[in-house]
Parts: sequence; C-alpha cells; structure tokens
Amino acid sequence: GDSVTQTEGQVTVSESKSLIINCTYSATSIAYPNLFWYVRYPGEGLQLLLKVITAGQKGSSRGFEATYNKETTSFHLQKASVQESDSAVYYCALSDFSGGSNAKLTFGKGTKLSVKS
Amino acid sequence: NSKVIQTPRYLVKGQGQKAKMRCIPEKGHPVVFWYQQNKNNEFKFLINFQNQEVLQQIDMTEKRFSAECPSNSPCSLEIQSSEAGDSALYLCASSRLNTLYFGAGTRLSVL
Repeated sequence: GDSVTQTEGQVTVSESKSLIINCTYSATSIAYPNLFWYVRYPGEGLQLLLKVITAGQKGSSRGFEATYNKETTSFHLQKASVQESDSAVYYCALSDFSGGSNAKLTFGKGTKLSVKS
Repeated sequence: NSKVIQTPRYLVKGQGQKAKMRCIPEKGHPVVFWYQQNKNNEFKFLINFQNQEVLQQIDMTEKRFSAECPSNSPCSLEIQSSEAGDSALYLCASSRLNTLYFGAGTRLSVL
C-alpha cells in the first residue's frame, strides 16, 4: 500500500534560522499522487498548509515551500526563517486520487517543530 | 480556516458503551471522511461516503462502527460498543477538488 515517511519526530530550531522537514513517500496505487502538508497548531485543528498535484512543481504558503520530486519521491518542507508562531506539528500526506471522489489521504506520523527564541 | 464543525470536542465513555460524535461538513463539499488518530499520531481511515452512500470502509468499521450522513442533518460516527483501544482523536473531513478539510476532532476516552 501507499506510505509516507517523516524521519524526524521532533525538530528544534532557533528563531530566524532555516528549517527543513523531510518527507518521502511510496505510492503503489498511483504513479503521481497528490502531495500535501498539513499543520496542527497548539490547541487547534488540522489545517491544510499547501498542496502540489504536479510532479516537479513547488507549492508555497505562509513562507513555507515544498517541491514535488518524483525522482527521489520526496516532498520536503522548507522555510528560510522560522518564527515562534510556526511551532506546531507538521504532517506530510499523499492522496491516491485517480479521478474519483473517494480518494483518501495517507499520512506520515508528523514532525513536531519547536521554535526557540 | 476550515468550516467543518465537530461535536463534542471531548467524549468519555465506559467500555461497552455507545459513543456518538457528529460532524457538519463544509457546504458544497460532496464527500465526507472519518479518520482515527491514535496516541502514536498514526492516522487510520475509517469510512467515507458521498451524500447518504458509503463509498469505502475498513473491516473494523464494518463490525462496530457505523456512520451516516442524512440529508439536512449532521453526519455522525457511532461506536456501538466502545473498547479501550478506541480511545483516540476522531477527525471528520469534507472534501472538494481532492482536498480534505478537517474539523477540530472529537477526542474519545474509553475508561
């Protein structure tokens, strides 16, 4: 089946430093899945951060970027300069959408980002 | 911000009791999903449906879980006989254009 791997369960970064959160995927049901980053801020629900549906394209939101790399099957999340307000849990996910309305997401286990001032 | 509304936020049940949670999907989203997120942060797809029809569900769901989305009423997920292993965060999401939008979740504790 499909799977998503986030190698770091927790990451601590100093404010204004750069960030990269690793995500790799394996999609057996579809050659080019749609890829997503979701974020859960403390005390809040799961929110869509960004999505990319085309291999080779980059998505961006709130200063975060992620590039869909089909060669390395990766979708790493990056930010040039983090702020304390970025502290949250970040989830990488893929969708086995193939044109139907019943596409469902496969999630990674999440990476907790702590930004220290 | 998502407009998917889930109630209640917290639910405490004894083993063997029924547990029912509700979800109002975002208007205009045709498909509703239920996921379970356990204490290890793992997501498990439970069931999804479109309008009143079930599209997919896992085996576990077929036996003890039931879900429905009646017209003009909130969607619901019910566990007929709660077990300790059902303690988790239950997430409802509605989908449009292959993007899922999640509610805040119902945290179920089975004592």
